[in-house]
Amino acid sequence: EPEVTQTPSHQVTQMGQEVILRCVPISNHLYFYWYRQILGQKVEFLVSFYNNEISEKSEIFDDQFSVERPDGSNFTLKIRSTKLEDSAMYFCASTVGQGGQPQHFGDGTRLSIL
Amino acid sequence: DAKTTQPPSMDCAEGRAANLPCNHSTISGNEYVYWYRQIHSQGPQYIIHGLKNNETNEMASLIITEDRKSSTLILPHATLRDTAVYYCIVSFPRGGSNYKLTFGKGTLLTVNP
Repeated sequence: EPEVTQTPSHQVTQMGQEVILRCVPISNHLYFYWYRQILGQKVEFLVSFYNNEISEKSEIFDDQFSVERPDGSNFTLKIRSTKLEDSAMYFCASTVGQGGQPQHFGDGTRLSIL
Repeated sequence: DAKTTQPPSMDCAEGRAANLPCNHSTISGNEYVYWYRQIHSQGPQYIIHGLKNNETNEMASLIITEDRKSSTLILPHATLRDTAVYYCIVSFPRGGSNYKLTFGKGTLLTVNP
């Protein structure tokens, strides 16, 4: 069964550094998402992406965040200047986007900011 | 998107059916009900979804009341591996396709041997 894959599984970065989290969505999916989950808290929506542009973003997704689909298969989340509070699990999701079809999630990247 | 209410925790004996309730009394006519689960800190795993009718797949059954104000996820024969946090989410695909999922705290289902 096709799945969403995310790399790396764990990323350790110094505060203030840039980090790029990578995702390969399911191949025929058209809508892409990033969510995050701070330890012990709820899963939170960050951003949705369709047709090479952001469809919706949350208040969390400020100017430090950006997303890109650089080559037709990868979907990336960049954090320009990381803060301690960016430490979290980051989940990528995708959906084919027809008639309420479900989003499928990757296993996430654990981002640790030192 | 409509808000959902789930019990914080439930127990179930291994091999028995687990029935997880969800209240979504403010659901609107075009909103779907989605169920996901999360084991430890793994990514949320899709289980099942529905709009009006009851649904069944290889993992579970979803029973939606006629007025659509509540639903029940049924795991017919729970195993220890079904121990997880289960999320009931209501969402509307805007433009027919794009939607975000708003996760609550879910129900921690513990399956006991």
